[in-house]
Parts: sequence; C-alpha cells; structure tokens
Amino acid sequence: QVQLVQSGSELKKPGASVKVSCKASGYSLTGYAINWVRQAPGQGLEWMGWINTNTGNPTYAQGFTGRFVFSLDTSVSTSYLHINTLKAEDTAVYYCARVSSESYFDYWGQGTLVTVSS
Amino acid sequence: QPVLTQSPSVSASLGASVKLTCTLSGGHSTYAIAWLQQQPEKGPRFLMKLKSDGRHIKGDGIPDRFSGSSSGIERYLTISSVQSEDEAAYYCQTWGAGVHVFGPGTRVTVL
Repeated sequence: QVQLVQSGSELKKPGASVKVSCKASGYSLTGYAINWVRQAPGQGLEWMGWINTNTGNPTYAQGFTGRFVFSLDTSVSTSYLHINTLKAEDTAVYYCARVSSESYFDYWGQGTLVTVSS
Repeated sequence: QPVLTQSPSVSASLGASVKLTCTLSGGHSTYAIAWLQQQPEKGPRFLMKLKSDGRHIKGDGIPDRFSGSSSGIERYLTISSVQSEDEAAYYCQTWGAGVHVFGPGTRVTVL
C-alpha cells in the first residue's frame, strides 16, 4: 500500500540546519509530485510548496523562499526538506504529502516535529 | 487564489449527524475542494475530493458515514452517526494556478 514515512523528531539550536526525509513506498516516487506542509504548534496547515519528482524542480510558496530547500534522491525513493539558519518560529510539524492526478493530497506522511530552541 | 472560510468549532452528540461548511471566496464557485481529517496528535488524512456539482471521490477506507455536497460557494462535509473517533479537526483545501490553500479548520467535539 502507498506509504510516506518521515524521519524522526529533531531538536536544533537557532542558526543550525535540519534535513527532514520523506520515503515513499507502494508506488513510484516519480509518478506523483511531493508537497510540503507546515503546522505550527496549535495552528492550522500551511502549504510550503512542492517538488516535481520527475525533474527535481522545486516551487516554493510565498514565505518559504531562501532558507527552505526541497530535494530528491530517486534511487531511494526519498524527498527531502532542508531548512537552513533555523529560527525559533520554524518550530513546527512538517508533513510531506503526495499529490494525486486530480490535484488533491491523497497520502500524507506522519509528520516530523522540528523544535528550534537554545 | 481563493480564500477558504470555516467555523472554528462544532460539537455533536454521539450518534447524531453534523454538517461542516467550507466557504470559498467570491468568484470561485466552480472550484473543487478536498476535505481532510486530523485526529489529535496525528497527521492529516484525505477524506474526499468534492466538486462544485456535489460529486465526490472518497479516499481509501473512508467510512460511508462521511459524505459531501455543494451549493454555490459552499462545500459541505456531513458526518452521519458521529462516532468518538470522529473527534478531530477537519480542514478543507483547494488549489489553482499552481497554489494550494487550506482553510483554518473546524474542530469537532463529540459529546
């Protein structure tokens, strides 16, 4: 069955970097785009952007340019979210989600909590 | 891109029916949406894609008690015979011009 399995929780200091992974199984990664979504503590869902899993070309939503980078390693069916120069306000759960052929997010990862604290 | 509006919270008695509303901003009455469920401490789960004509496509394993309907700029999610495991936040989502948008979510409390 289709699964997106994300890496575990991270505790980082301000200014550090983090890499969150999202491993796809049960389907071909290159068949569907991967989107990233942020959920700050107690808040709703915020779309961060997506990566074309065929070309590796990323598209970033407003507010997620510069420090946020999407990447791929198709050899291990894995997408990555890199966040550089972490700030306290980056503390959130980050989700990857697959986009179906009809544009909705049909499968989601379990989420990765990134905590930024000194 | 469209803006989605949802009521912050609603409560329903066990076994009763509850209808959630997602309102699209003006001029976007033809947009489809998706309904998502997020149970406490869990990731979102796709419930259904709901088109402007009310036709919907449900996700794998979604119980029959979840249904969708549409009227103008409003999209509805009805949970009939609410169960305790339906206590969750429900988000609507839409997309267009390469952008995805989420509503603020409605928290459902089961009494």
